[in-house]
Amino acid sequence: KAGVTQTPRYLIKTRGQQVTLSCSPISGHRSVSWYQQTPGQGLQFLFEYFSETQRNKGNFPGRFSGRQFSNSRSEMNVSTLELGDSALYLCASSPDGSNYGYTFGSGTRLTVV
Amino acid sequence: AQTVTQSQPEMSVQEAETVTLSCTYDTSENNYYLFWYKQPPSRQMILVIRQEAYKQQNATENRFSVNFQKAAKSFSLKISDSQLGDTAMYFCALGEYGNKLVFGAGTILRVKS
Repeated sequence: KAGVTQTPRYLIKTRGQQVTLSCSPISGHRSVSWYQQTPGQGLQFLFEYFSETQRNKGNFPGRFSGRQFSNSRSEMNVSTLELGDSALYLCASSPDGSNYGYTFGSGTRLTVV
Repeated sequence: AQTVTQSQPEMSVQEAETVTLSCTYDTSENNYYLFWYKQPPSRQMILVIRQEAYKQQNATENRFSVNFQKAAKSFSLKISDSQLGDTAMYFCALGEYGNKLVFGAGTILRVKS
């Protein structure tokens, strides 16, 4: 059974640009969550999608957005990148988001220069 | 607001010995879940063990067990017979209904041969 797949693994962008990260959940999982991991702030919840609907959102500015497709694949977008957006972005999936235990991907390392 | 505190930034243990990682949390909910995740240098977060708050019995997974003290809001992880492959960052996480996890700052565990 394939795990959670995140692409790309690494990304370097310039301030002001926008970026899109992709996450393919485990087959059959309908809930996808996104987390930002930085040395200073640790792991912070961005948002969670279930059946193409955003069910929960963390405390991030509107520059951070996401969506989920009918096949449960999810993308997150960050517009007008800032240096502080440099982080490891982790995606996690679960069958229904009921806190049974999320399975995480290996993340996308975003560097903003 | 939910908070998770891991007071040990780093710990070391000799191979084959036992080590305990500490975690305290705060929540106003009565029903919630607690998790320990492991993040090796590969970056992928791996679920180690899960505890449901309404279960009094402490969870156990092979060499990993927890000491869950609900009244004290404490959730420690014991690793028995430590192995070199246990070297990683360990995160304690709180999950309430609402599909998001709140993580502690993490504890770096180094297993020495």
